[in-house]
Amino acid sequence: GAVVSQHPSRVICKSGTSVKIECRSLDFQATTMFWYRQFPKQSLMLMATSNEGSKATYEQGVEKDKFLINHASLTLSTLTVTSAHPEDSSFYICSASPGRQETQYFGPGTRLLVL
Amino acid sequence: GQQLNQSPQSMFIQEGEDVSMNCTSSSIFNTWLWYKQDPGEGPVLLIALYKAGELTSNGRLTAQFGITRKDSFLNISASIPSDVGIYFCAGGMDSSYKLIFGSGTRLLVRP
Repeated sequence: GAVVSQHPSRVICKSGTSVKIECRSLDFQATTMFWYRQFPKQSLMLMATSNEGSKATYEQGVEKDKFLINHASLTLSTLTVTSAHPEDSSFYICSASPGRQETQYFGPGTRLLVL
Repeated sequence: GQQLNQSPQSMFIQEGEDVSMNCTSSSIFNTWLWYKQDPGEGPVLLIALYKAGELTSNGRLTAQFGITRKDSFLNISASIPSDVGIYFCAGGMDSSYKLIFGSGTRLLVRP
């Protein structure tokens, strides 16, 4: 149980284009989903917290107009990197919480490379 | 902001040895979680701790929630090559369900 999927697993795009990443909780309803970014050999950096049907809460320093988050249902959240640039290249990981205390279950991640 | 100090940063051990890593903080946490991350993958939950003093095992893994609620340790007994990876501790402290992550412990196991 507690499986989270992410799609795509990796994406290469040209600078200036937008990329959408999907995060789904497959066998539970996620009251809250989270989006993280991870640079090589570093820990996870929380970007934003999203609750179904409401606006996402962004961490300090994360541009909400650049990283658009939509949490349309209890099993799906999307992260859109708008007008991507090479510095946005990173490993993006989502997680989902079933509401049982603070336990989070992570997706497999999406490797984004912006050329 | 809240920070977790995780140590050691890395370990290179012989197969069969026991391993211990820990996380400490100046803040109190309600939840301690331990995750393992393989290269190019998302973190996988190993053990979740919800009560101060709680000691929980998952196979060869044992973790404890410190009585002060400011620390936690993870032990791995009789390490095997597939234990290789990065281990992260994470603390949860409020109803927002946000987690604070440690910097990770990179474990290498020599066959």
